[in-house]
Amino acid sequence: KQEVTQIPAALSVPEGENLVLNCSFTDSAIYNLQWFRQDPGKGLTSLLLIQSSQREQTSGRLNASLDKSSGRSTLYIAASQPGDSATYLCAVKGTSGSRLTFGEGTQLTVNP
Amino acid sequence: SQTIHQWPATLVQPVGSPLSLECTVEGTSNPNLYWYRQAAGRGLQLLFYSVGIGQISSEVPQNLSASRPQDRQFILSSKKLLLSDSGFYLCAWTQRRNSPLHFGNGTRLTVT
Repeated sequence: KQEVTQIPAALSVPEGENLVLNCSFTDSAIYNLQWFRQDPGKGLTSLLLIQSSQREQTSGRLNASLDKSSGRSTLYIAASQPGDSATYLCAVKGTSGSRLTFGEGTQLTVNP
Repeated sequence: SQTIHQWPATLVQPVGSPLSLECTVEGTSNPNLYWYRQAAGRGLQLLFYSVGIGQISSEVPQNLSASRPQDRQFILSSKKLLLSDSGFYLCAWTQRRNSPLHFGNGTRLTVT
């Protein structure tokens, strides 16, 4: 059974800092990995999708990497802003089906 | 462009009452559709998914059910709500196996 872990559970940084969020998964037989952002009381917004054959994806100040063999992904946020404050979740899709397994998220606070 | 609509945004229902949450997707055809539940302080739990009209897969035994009467419509129902059904319900869709998963804005259900 796939398990996804996100560390740390919460992170507080000053504005302008570069930061890294971590995601690890136990079964390396994945189809893809997706990073999401969730604002309080809202649904999830897709940030980046990395296919199993890819090493990284970039969108603006966000860069996600994938090391399938070690079961790890990182989300790098450059020059953080208060508007980046949210919960960030990663999810992996296994090769055997269409379901995603989610981590419990990292709650990020960027202080002005 | 594709959009997903989920309603109502909030709902307060007494124990033992029925439930019907609706989700529709626009701008695409034959999407895979999902219902997730997010309990306070916990990760996302997949409840149901559907790969086509009338095709429903249940992930967790419970007193909830799902139906897909039309290609882009997904309904979550219960005949009699329990206190434990309280939570944040999220509908999601994806077009293909290697496509991103997109979420609606969610329904906050409180069973009293």
